Amino acid sequence: DIVLTQSPAILSLSPGERATLSCRASQSVSSYLAWYQQKPGQAPRLLISDASNRATGIPARFSGSGSGTDFSLTISSLEPEDFAVYYCQQRSNWRLTFGGGTKVEIK
Amino acid sequence: QVQLVESGGGVVQPGRSLRLSCAASGFTFSNYGMHWVRQAPGKGLEWVAIISFEGTNRYYADSVMGRFTISRDNSKNTLYLQMNSLRADDTAVYYCAKDTTRFLEWLSSWGQGTLVTVSS
Repeated sequence: DIVLTQSPAILSLSPGERATLSCRASQSVSSYLAWYQQKPGQAPRLLISDASNRATGIPARFSGSGSGTDFSLTISSLEPEDFAVYYCQQRSNWRLTFGGGTKVEIK
Repeated sequence: QVQLVESGGGVVQPGRSLRLSCAASGFTFSNYGMHWVRQAPGKGLEWVAIISFEGTNRYYADSVMGRFTISRDNSKNTLYLQMNSLRADDTAVYYCAKDTTRFLEWLSSWGQGTLVTVSS
């Protein structure tokens, strides 16, 4: 299976700051990577698909980049509602896998 | 508006079976692939299974292969997960999720989940 490693595990930032989250794949997944946001007690929400395409209704402050094995999710200016856990996910083959998650917490 | 409502969770003894359901509304269910994803308490997300729009193609994670069966009834707009030979490490919140296509792309909408606890 393709292993996705997310870093850092925890990111402590203040509202208004820029957040950069990393996801590294154990082998190339081309651009078949998505990002999800999960808040406590809620289901995940799709943010980014195909590495860089924002899902419907996702604010422009969220952006994704990368291809092959290295990907990043950037939140340009953190809003209070952005503090959550973020997961990357690959669909390079039918064995979908998720990364372990990055928690973005308030500093 | 897409709505997915899971049901069927609960406490079950190791080795027993349980069937989860996911009632879908707000979209043409028969046009989309569907997934099950689980999340153990305090842990990350684990993909479990996928079924294509018409039910022909099904794939499973290694951890559940041979024990779990995903199925769907398009006439009832319902997705199922039959879970047999349950183990303690199957304890998790189980989410159903709608794919963006007829089979396997991205998980665009999720239900709120149903908790399965495997314990004696």
